[in-house]
Amino acid sequence: SQQGEEDPQALSIQEGENATMNCSYKTSINNLQWYRQNSGRGLVHLILIRSNEREKHSGRLRVTLDTSKKSSSLLITASRAADTASYFCATGGSGAGSYQLTFGKGTKLSVIP
Amino acid sequence: NAGVTQTPKFQVLKTGQSMTLQCAQDMNHEYMSWYRQDPGMGLRLIHYSVGAGITDQGEVPNGYNVSRSTTEDFPLRLLSAAPSQTSVYFCASRGGVGKLFFGSGTQLSVL
Repeated sequence: SQQGEEDPQALSIQEGENATMNCSYKTSINNLQWYRQNSGRGLVHLILIRSNEREKHSGRLRVTLDTSKKSSSLLITASRAADTASYFCATGGSGAGSYQLTFGKGTKLSVIP
Repeated sequence: NAGVTQTPKFQVLKTGQSMTLQCAQDMNHEYMSWYRQDPGMGLRLIHYSVGAGITDQGEVPNGYNVSRSTTEDFPLRLLSAAPSQTSVYFCASRGGVGKLFFGSGTQLSVL
């Protein structure tokens, strides 16, 4: 069964605006990752945040993690048309659980030029 | 550096046929895995391997077979294809605990 659930399912914004996507999960995790998938392509890793971290930045990306609420958010600032893609969160457990990274259903982001 | 290479990119099968999806990586990663992606379902783990000779089942293993004879290769076999196996298949690898590197996918249709 799906561990992570992204919200919203789809998001449409104008170029230059910020985009925020949320991810909720059910069980305890060791880390949470975000991936991007352009249409017809494989997934590309964006950022990993560990369970003992609360916030992480990478370029225009900002990820937060609230383990008490079992939720994470991905913020893309100053969006560009090239950011149009589907975004997935994935959760990893510890020990043997680290071998089964579980993906959510994704948020489809459209950035309008 | 090729990363993760999947072949073929597209395949059409008839119900009951068998085939092997190939996956190779050149990053010396111990961990490799197969996912399927269906519309509205996200990615679901089929099988994974933590090293040569070691494989284990994921969330949706039925109808699929894997083996890992080398570090580089992790083929996925469909023994008797069914329409329910129509999907896009992704192979992924990683070194240590962390990010996955994905192949470009195989789009499979079973008629």
